[in-house]
Amino acid sequence: DAGVIQSPRHEVTEMGQEVTLRCKPISGHDYLFWYRQTMMRGLELLIYFNNNVPIDDSGMPEDRFSAKMPNASFSTLKIQPSEPRDSAVYFCASRTQASWGYGYTFGSGTRLTVV
Amino acid sequence: GEDVEQSLFLSVREGDSSVINCTYTDSSSTYLYWYKQEPGAGLQLLTYIFSNMDMKQDQRLTVLLNKKDKHLSLRIADTQTGDSAIYFCAERTHGSGGATNKLIFGTGTLLAVQP
Repeated sequence: DAGVIQSPRHEVTEMGQEVTLRCKPISGHDYLFWYRQTMMRGLELLIYFNNNVPIDDSGMPEDRFSAKMPNASFSTLKIQPSEPRDSAVYFCASRTQASWGYGYTFGSGTRLTVV
Repeated sequence: GEDVEQSLFLSVREGDSSVINCTYTDSSSTYLYWYKQEPGAGLQLLTYIFSNMDMKQDQRLTVLLNKKDKHLSLRIADTQTGDSAIYFCAERTHGSGGATNKLIFGTGTLLAVQP
C-alpha cells in the first residue's frame, strides 16, 4: 500500500492566486481529513469526509477555503484567493471504519507558501 | 471545550529514558494516541491506549493513562538519536451525540536527544 498520497509536496504562490491541494487516501478507507499545521496554532482540523460526504467543516477558516471529494480515491482543498496567512503545511489523513485502534494515516503534507 | 496540552520541549541524553506528558480535557475520551513527526514528514502513529487500560507497553514504549487526572504519558526507554522528533498526543473527541470521528491533537513536544 502506497499510503496517503498528497501533491504537490511544496507550493509557492503569489497572494491572490488560486491554490489546489490534492490527496489520494488509502484504498478502502472511508474517512478523509484535512488538517493545517502552523507554528502558532499547531494542528487544526479543517474538514472531514465520510464516504465522500462532508461531515464537519466547522474548522474551515473562511469562504476562501473549499474542499471536495468527488470519489473515494480523490479529494481537493482549494484556496481562492490565497493570502500570506494561509502559509502552512496542509496534511491529509484517512482512516477505516473498522477500528479506532488504527488511528489516522497521514500523508507527507503540502508545504504552502503564499508570498 | 476540547483542549490537549503538552510541554513544548524535552532534552535527554542518548541511552536515558524520555517521558513526554500530556493533559486532556474530555473525560469521555475512549482512545488516546501518540504520534511522531520527523522533520519534513507527516505524522506517524506510534501507539494508542483505550480508556479502560492504565498502561500499555510496546517494546521501548510505555504509555501510562491516569483517567482521574486526565493525564497521559509516553515513556521511551533507551532513547536513541533517531527518536529525535516532535511527539503529539491526541484524543478522540465526544460531542453531545457521543463519540465523534475527530481527533484533537496536542501542541506537540520537541524531543531532542543529545549523543
